[in-house]
Amino acid sequence: DTAVSQTPKYLVTQMGNDKSIKCEQNLGHDTMYWYKQDSKKFLKIMFSYNNKELIINETVPNRFSPKSPDKAHLNLHINSLELGDSAVYFCASSLFSNTGELFFGEGSRLTVL
Amino acid sequence: AQRVTQPEKLLSVFKGAPVELKCNYSYSGSPELFWYVQYSRQRLQLLLRHISRESIKGFTADLNKGETSFHLKKPFAQEEDSAMYYCALRTYNTDKLIFGTGTRLQVFP
Repeated sequence: DTAVSQTPKYLVTQMGNDKSIKCEQNLGHDTMYWYKQDSKKFLKIMFSYNNKELIINETVPNRFSPKSPDKAHLNLHINSLELGDSAVYFCASSLFSNTGELFFGEGSRLTVL
Repeated sequence: AQRVTQPEKLLSVFKGAPVELKCNYSYSGSPELFWYVQYSRQRLQLLLRHISRESIKGFTADLNKGETSFHLKKPFAQEEDSAMYYCALRTYNTDKLIFGTGTRLQVFP
């Protein structure tokens, strides 16, 4: 009965490959997010969706493409992976978009070789 | 630009000592501040928010608009408080939650 779940937890891949990370929430929340945590533990927002609509799109390379098939799911697809993409990617959700109370997934550690 | 600064990367104290994790923010609007905590092998979770004025696990934080600070305090640290702590700012004009760089708290027995 995990609230926010991400798969896979670990992903090791070669430069130039394309990979996806999936996220699902069973909290009935309207809003979902992707955050990137770099090697220095800095957490930076990448995208936010509210009811399947993109509402926050930070300065992220267009190799990163989020997709929200429904409000319970937010997937992140990354094309042409680069070394600098190595990080932990966190999915989160919140009841509404105008709240600071986020529920986080466990994170997906991506390593690009 | 909106920013959250946590000047200490690591704070080490002994059990029973007082703890203060510093957080400063820059935001021209009316801020909404939060503290999140990540215990070892657990997910990031909300610890407390300034509007609730609550004490959670003995921690309190007061918003000081004059000093643009939201320091997290606990009078007597416990070993189980060892974790990564993130201060976060929500901006009303963008609905973004902006995190600081985090402070790792180590409480020694």
